[in-house]
Amino acid sequence: SQQGEEDPQALSIQEGENATMNCSYKTSINNLQWYRQNSGRGLVHLILIRSNEREKHSGRLRVTLDTSKKSSSLLITASRAADTASYFCATDGSDYKLSFGAGTTVTVRA
Amino acid sequence: DAGVTQSPTHLIKTRGQQVTLRCSPKSGHDTVSWYQQALGQGPQFIFQYYEEEERQRGNFPDRFSGHQFPNYSSELNVNALLLGDSALYLCASSLWFGVNNSPLHFGNGTRLTVT
Repeated sequence: SQQGEEDPQALSIQEGENATMNCSYKTSINNLQWYRQNSGRGLVHLILIRSNEREKHSGRLRVTLDTSKKSSSLLITASRAADTASYFCATDGSDYKLSFGAGTTVTVRA
Repeated sequence: DAGVTQSPTHLIKTRGQQVTLRCSPKSGHDTVSWYQQALGQGPQFIFQYYEEEERQRGNFPDRFSGHQFPNYSSELNVNALLLGDSALYLCASSLWFGVNNSPLHFGNGTRLTVT
């Protein structure tokens, strides 16, 4: 079973627009991570936010975490064609096993 | 600096057969985790190896087994293959100390097709 669930399942935007996706999870976590996966390839780590942090930035990425609502959001600003990929949130609980959601597929149109 | 490498990249097997997938972790990493990713789904945790021992296991049957070697490389073995075992198998490496705070580095996976 998967701990995190991303929303929406799919997102299509124009180049230059912002993309926002959300992740909800069920149990308490130590940290939450976001990964990107280009079609059929391995996952690439984007950003890690600890349970005591509320917001984190990395380049064009902005991640928020609301532990009271058990949710996180990933914002990609000024999207590019190269941002076309699937995005996954991953959480770890007391057992430190990383659990992934089903992902949000983002398509950036030129 | 080589990242995580997996072999083979693609594999086709018949139901009932056995398969072995291989993984070399990123240089400097000592922990290897294996994930199964069905089409359109997120990766599902199979197990994790550190110091040649299985440290964590997900909800997978005993048909799935693994091994870690002294050089930290790892193998995933699946016996008595089922059609439902068709998936992308991903290996990820990390450091054991700080395992709860360090990102995973993934290989590009082995695409297993069971016919």
